[in-house]
Amino acid sequence: KQEVTQIPAALSVPEGENLVLNCSFTDSAIYNLQWFRQDPGKGLTSLLLIQSSQREQTSGRLNASLDKSSGRSTLYIAASQPGDSATYLCAVQNSGAGSYQLTFGKGTKLSVIP
Amino acid sequence: GAVVSQHPSRVICKSGTSVKIECRSLDFQATTMFWYRQFPKKSLMLMATSNEGSKATYEQGVEKDKFLINHASLTLSTLTVTSAHPEDSSFYICSARDRRGYSTDTQYFGPGTRLTVL
Repeated sequence: KQEVTQIPAALSVPEGENLVLNCSFTDSAIYNLQWFRQDPGKGLTSLLLIQSSQREQTSGRLNASLDKSSGRSTLYIAASQPGDSATYLCAVQNSGAGSYQLTFGKGTKLSVIP
Repeated sequence: GAVVSQHPSRVICKSGTSVKIECRSLDFQATTMFWYRQFPKKSLMLMATSNEGSKATYEQGVEKDKFLINHASLTLSTLTVTSAHPEDSSFYICSARDRRGYSTDTQYFGPGTRLTVL
């Protein structure tokens, strides 16, 4: 059974700092890995999706990497801003015909202090 | 971009009543929709996979008679919590998979429904 772990559970940084969020998964037979953002009491916003054949994806100040063999992914946020404060969720989609289910980590709650 | 809506966004009900939550894909057709449940400070847990025109597939430990799922059209899935109890209070989120193919890897998530059972 796939398990996804995110470290740290919470992180507080001053504005402008670069930061890294970590995600690990136990079963490397994944189809893709996705990073989401969730604001309090809200749904999920997809940030980046990395296919299993890819090593990284970039969008603006965000860069996500994937090391499938070691079961790890990182989300790098450059020049953090107070508006980046949210919970960041990592999710993997397992391989297998017709399998579109996502397994989520518990998330990292990020606070960017002005 | 693809948009998924949920209604209602928040509902409070008395114990023993049934509550229906709607999940709609607004600008695409979704052959598959997923229902998740999220407890405070916990990850999203998949409850069931809803396929248009067929019975939903429930995850282990999820009571199918308590959480009724109907996916009658390509744009609408409903989750009915029957005889709700306080322990059913949670944040319910749906997602929809676009059938058009070019985004087969992507699930689009709704904004969630906060259910509180008194």
